[in-house]
Amino acid sequence: LAKTTQPISMDSYEGQEVNITCSHNNIATNDYITWYQQFPSQGPRFIIQGYKTKVTNEVASLFIPADRKSSTLSLPRVSLSDTAVYYCLVGGYNTNAGKSTFGDGTTLTVKP
Amino acid sequence: GAVVSQHPSWVICKSGTSVKIECRSLDFQATTMFWYRQFPKQSLMLMATSNEGSKATYEQGVEKDKFLINHASLTLSTLTVTSAHPEDSSFYICSAEPPSPTGELFFGEGSRLTVL
Repeated sequence: LAKTTQPISMDSYEGQEVNITCSHNNIATNDYITWYQQFPSQGPRFIIQGYKTKVTNEVASLFIPADRKSSTLSLPRVSLSDTAVYYCLVGGYNTNAGKSTFGDGTTLTVKP
Repeated sequence: GAVVSQHPSWVICKSGTSVKIECRSLDFQATTMFWYRQFPKQSLMLMATSNEGSKATYEQGVEKDKFLINHASLTLSTLTVTSAHPEDSSFYICSAEPPSPTGELFFGEGSRLTVL
């Protein structure tokens, strides 16, 4: 299973765009990249998932370069409520996604 | 989105007692559920994979006799911490995978266990 590396922490201010990059050098051909958000004392919540290029939904964008060895989660115009830990997971689409390893995550702190 | 619910959300128990935590998938049948443990300021650590109708698969270093997992139905998995000790105090989280896997996991709210 692919191991991921993310920055431990990031700071931002309200209204700014935040980009969090995750490295996954040994990603397998059938692996997808999924990002989760976790608030204190809550379970993680799905943000976005992608395989290659760019994916966008109502809360975030996910950029994946051609070699797929990294990915970048982009949060547009963050607010204080976006302060949380963000995890990227790499795992197979049709296999047990739950066995994907959670890395250390990135603690994002949004300041007023 | 799909809903996975855990109960209780928090529990305090005395050392030596056993505690059961339930994980329910409310709007889909989950043949596979996962149990994690998370210590303060640390990441989630997968403990075991719960398979409906069969034995759970435990990760290396997780004592199967201490952390009993039962997945008797397609919507319910239970984790029982037997003879709990203070070092078992942690945040326990479950997740479920829908029948047609999409790579997305649905997590419960988590259960905070404090062993006195």
